This record gives sequence, C-alpha cells and structure tokens, in this order.
Amino acid sequence: NAGVTQTPKFRILKIGQSMTLQCTQDMNHNYMYWYRQDPGMGLKLIYYSVGAGITDKGEVPNGYNVSRSTTEDFPLRLELAAPSQTSVYFCASSYLRLEQYFGPGTRLTVT
Amino acid sequence: GNSVTQMEGPVTLSEEAFLTINCTYTATGYPSLFWYVQYPGEGLQLLLKATKADDKGSNKGFEATYRKETTSFHLEKGSVQVSDSAVYFCALSDRDNGGSEKLVFGKGTKLTVNP
Repeated sequence: NAGVTQTPKFRILKIGQSMTLQCTQDMNHNYMYWYRQDPGMGLKLIYYSVGAGITDKGEVPNGYNVSRSTTEDFPLRLELAAPSQTSVYFCASSYLRLEQYFGPGTRLTVT
Repeated sequence: GNSVTQMEGPVTLSEEAFLTINCTYTATGYPSLFWYVQYPGEGLQLLLKATKADDKGSNKGFEATYRKETTSFHLEKGSVQVSDSAVYFCALSDRDNGGSEKLVFGKGTKLTVNP
C-alpha cells in the first residue's frame, strides 16, 4: 500500500492564481480530511468528507473548495490564492474515524 | 468546543534523558486522546492513543495515561534517543452536531535530542 499520497510536494503561486492539491489514498478509507499547518499553530481542519459525494466544512474553510467523487480521491481547490494561504497542507484518511493516516504534505507559498 | 493545550517548546535534551511533554484538555463527554509525531519533512504518524479513563497508551518506549481527574494525557519516555527528535502533537476526538468525529490538535512541541 502506498497509503496517502499528495501532489505536488512544493508549489509557488502568485496572488490570484488558482490550483488544485491532489490527495489519493489506497486503503479504502471512508473518511478523508484536509488540514493546514502554520508555524507554531498546530493543524487546522479545512474540509473533511465522510464518503464519496459527501463533504463538510472544518474550522478554516474560507478560500478553499473540495470534492469527493470517488473513495480514493479528495482534491483541495484554491480559487484565488492569497498570501494568507501560504502554509503546509496535509491530507489524511481514516476508516474507523479516529486513527488518521497522513500524507507527506504540500508546501505552498503565495507571493 | 473541545480543546487541547500542550507545553510550549522547543525542548532540548541529551540522549538518555527522561522526557515529559505535558498535555491537558477541555472536553465534554469522553473523548479519545492521541499523541502524533511528525519527523522532519514528513506527515504526522500516530504514536499512541487511549480511548477511556485510566487507559495507558504505549509505543516505541513512549507512554501516556488518560487521567480524567486532571484532564491530562502527558507523554513520557524514560530514555530518549537522537532519533526521537521530532514535533509531538497531542490531540483529542471531537464529535460535531452531525455526529462526525474529528481530531482537535494542540500546537505541537518540538523535541531535539543531542548526542
């Protein structure tokens, strides 16, 4: 199993550009999550999904969108990038809702 | 809502020293408690967990006991190694009004172990 994979690993965006962060898991997990990690601030939940076709907002959803058309994939979309979205983004998945498996992260810089 | 407070870092120790990282929580109900570890350049990995009061989670020489009376879940290790250098996150489960269960994380404590 590859576990949770994320692409790209690094990205630099200009203000106002858009991009999609990809997340795929091969563990047949029903739950998937997107977090952002800012220095010294821990992890904040952006969006989560309890299964294909079902998504819900987390703590910091503004400026982001998600979709979940399959069990495996949970992309995160940034429509109009802003400097405040400079962060490290982690995707995670779980089966029993509690024990989450994390991807390696995407480091995004918006300038 | 539920929240987690863990000790500020960074923490610097010599190899074979004793480690304690404090974590306290505020929660309604009976959450599960977790410690995650993040090695440099990687995502988070579950280190250990406890699902009810007085449970002790343990893994790789690390231990933490779920103390309901003090609302704490302190992480301990008797003899740290250089390879334990990482950021450690305390977390608890939090169920929203829709019944979906999510994790609430502390801010993380960076541990550096010197040879």
